[in-house]
Amino acid sequence: DAKTTQPPSMDCAEGRAANLPCNHSTISGNEYVYWYRQIHSQGPQYIIHGLKNNETNEMASLIITEDRKSSTLILPHATLRDTAVYYCIVSFYSGGGADGLTFGKGTHLIIQP
Amino acid sequence: SQTIHQWPATLVQPVGSPLSLECTVEGTSNPNLYWYRQAAGRGLQLLFYSVGIGQISSEVPQNLSASRPQDRQFILSSKKLLLSDSGFYLCAWIEPGRHHGQYFGPGTRLTVT
Repeated sequence: DAKTTQPPSMDCAEGRAANLPCNHSTISGNEYVYWYRQIHSQGPQYIIHGLKNNETNEMASLIITEDRKSSTLILPHATLRDTAVYYCIVSFYSGGGADGLTFGKGTHLIIQP
Repeated sequence: SQTIHQWPATLVQPVGSPLSLECTVEGTSNPNLYWYRQAAGRGLQLLFYSVGIGQISSEVPQNLSASRPQDRQFILSSKKLLLSDSGFYLCAWIEPGRHHGQYFGPGTRLTVT
């Protein structure tokens, strides 16, 4: 079973920031938080990951609370192409072994024009 | 640059028929490889992973099997398909030792009739 809880759906206006929450209250000290998204009928796309510190890349920002029990993915200027299902996943990283992912149902983000 | 291929893109097979799905990765060596399945309305489920040629680990016991005959080739097979095998099959890879998200292929949509 997935170890995260996400709202099933969210709306956001085009051009505004989309803030997607995720609860992972049972996360262990060395588990990472990963975010992926899946546009309809395509394979998932990796977005970002983090352990303790906030992270930013060209796609998004990841804010992790100090107790690490929740996080927020921020898409700073949402576009219609950001409409997708967003998955929050917690997982160990071994660096060379089998780091298979457990996907839940995610959040269906709909960007409104 | 690295790319991942899956074929066929779509497949319709009768119950009881065999199955062979292929995944190949280009531009990297000794990747960790993964097979996932996404049933209708459900999240992705990890089926198999491989950390090297001939090394296969199964996450979910079922009538499917996987093989890795070459470093960058991963095959998903079945001797007799069931209706419940219908779904979207995704192959993914990651470079061992490089901490990044998994790269997913375009997927194969299988319908068992």
